[in-house]
Amino acid sequence: EAQVTQNPRYLITVTGKKLTVTCSQNMNHEYMSWYRQDPGLGLRQIYYSMNVEVTDKGDVPEGYKVSRKEKRNFPLILESPSPNQTSLYFCASSLATGANVLTFGAGSRLTVL
Amino acid sequence: DAKTTQPNSMESNEEEPVHLPCNHSTISGTDYIHWYRQLPSQGPEYVIHGLTSNVNNRMASLAIAEDRKSSTLILHRATLRDAAVYYCILSSRDSSYKLIFGSGTRLLVRP
Repeated sequence: EAQVTQNPRYLITVTGKKLTVTCSQNMNHEYMSWYRQDPGLGLRQIYYSMNVEVTDKGDVPEGYKVSRKEKRNFPLILESPSPNQTSLYFCASSLATGANVLTFGAGSRLTVL
Repeated sequence: DAKTTQPNSMESNEEEPVHLPCNHSTISGTDYIHWYRQLPSQGPEYVIHGLTSNVNNRMASLAIAEDRKSSTLILHRATLRDAAVYYCILSSRDSSYKLIFGSGTRLLVRP
């Protein structure tokens, strides 16, 4: 089944403890992206990647890092999480051609205490 | 970045058609019009997209105005499962495919 898989789905952590949210897709998509969703603010793009070793900032990149060493994986790294990074995170992928129709993962709910 | 404007909420009766409007007056020639929906506790789900011509698929139809400054997502027979937040979004290769999600339209379907 074609899908985008995120892990963990739920995580509670403490301020300053580094964490990684993994994202993997099995559709051979070039384009991958991370969004966060907050009440009243909708979905905002954090980082995106057009292909392996090519990443760029979205609208809210502060406090986050990403890497794209392989086509299928696009992990989101929080080096020193803070409470304002408590949010619902979505990974998405697509073929970087034409209309760029995105397939989203199921989401990762992160709470930083 | 090109923006879209949608009503905050709409209501429909089950098994009736629903027309969800979207204004995108600053659309550029290379922008595709996308519609996604988000069911409760799920990630956004692709519904339909188009460039200039009207489009149909198994989920919905997309009617695009001739000047492309507005579009309408049409659900031909709403079901309770269609209750969701619907997002109208513009995307193009020129903007590195950035999808800007607005607040969307919350669709309520009455039994």
